[in-house]
Amino acid sequence: DVQLLESEAGLVQPGGSLRLSCAASGFTFSNYAMNWVRQAPGKGLEWVSGISGGGGSTYYADSVKDRFTISRDNSRNTVFLHMSSLRAEDRAVYYCAKGARGVAAGTGSYFDNWGQGTLVIVSA
Amino acid sequence: SYELTQPPSVSVSPGQTASITCSGDKLGDKYAYWYQQRPGQSPVLVIYQNNKRPSGIPERFSGSNSGNTATLTISGTQTMDEADYYCQAWDSSSFVVFGEGTKVTVL
Repeated sequence: DVQLLESEAGLVQPGGSLRLSCAASGFTFSNYAMNWVRQAPGKGLEWVSGISGGGGSTYYADSVKDRFTISRDNSRNTVFLHMSSLRAEDRAVYYCAKGARGVAAGTGSYFDNWGQGTLVIVSA
Repeated sequence: SYELTQPPSVSVSPGQTASITCSGDKLGDKYAYWYQQRPGQSPVLVIYQNNKRPSGIPERFSGSNSGNTATLTISGTQTMDEADYYCQAWDSSSFVVFGEGTKVTVL
């Protein structure tokens, strides 16, 4: 079975940085794109970033571009999200989501497995 | 930026049919996807590529997509189907886009 295990919750001050990780198992990790999707308290889903299976292509939502960086280590079956210049509005549950194919873009981009989510709190 | 619009809520009686719409410019030219999120849980894919069901998803879930509107239909709705439902599509300028979500209440 596919398993996606995100790192523990984090509390960070505004303007600070935090790195999330997601350890994957149950599938050939390098064959699939990986994504981060977040959900602010009581709000809907917001896609944050995606990375292709080989790691050569990355995509970001405008709301996090130039502040967040997605990366992956296929030798460790792990995807990361490095978040910097964090703002109060970045507070959310962050989900790691497996893409259904190797590329992270295109009309066939969707998510067939999700992690349990990890809470990021940005507060002084 | 590309936007998907969903009704905030839909109410349905047990055993009846619930229809949830998702509207976007020329959405029918794209694939539509649907996710179910029960309270306190992670989202689960229920429909992909407009009308396909992943393994393990009951047959009462079906989807369609034409023109500017995609529709998720739940036939013979059960109390366990009470959840938030999100549509999703991919756009070349906005990349992955989610609708705002529809809360389905079974009463």
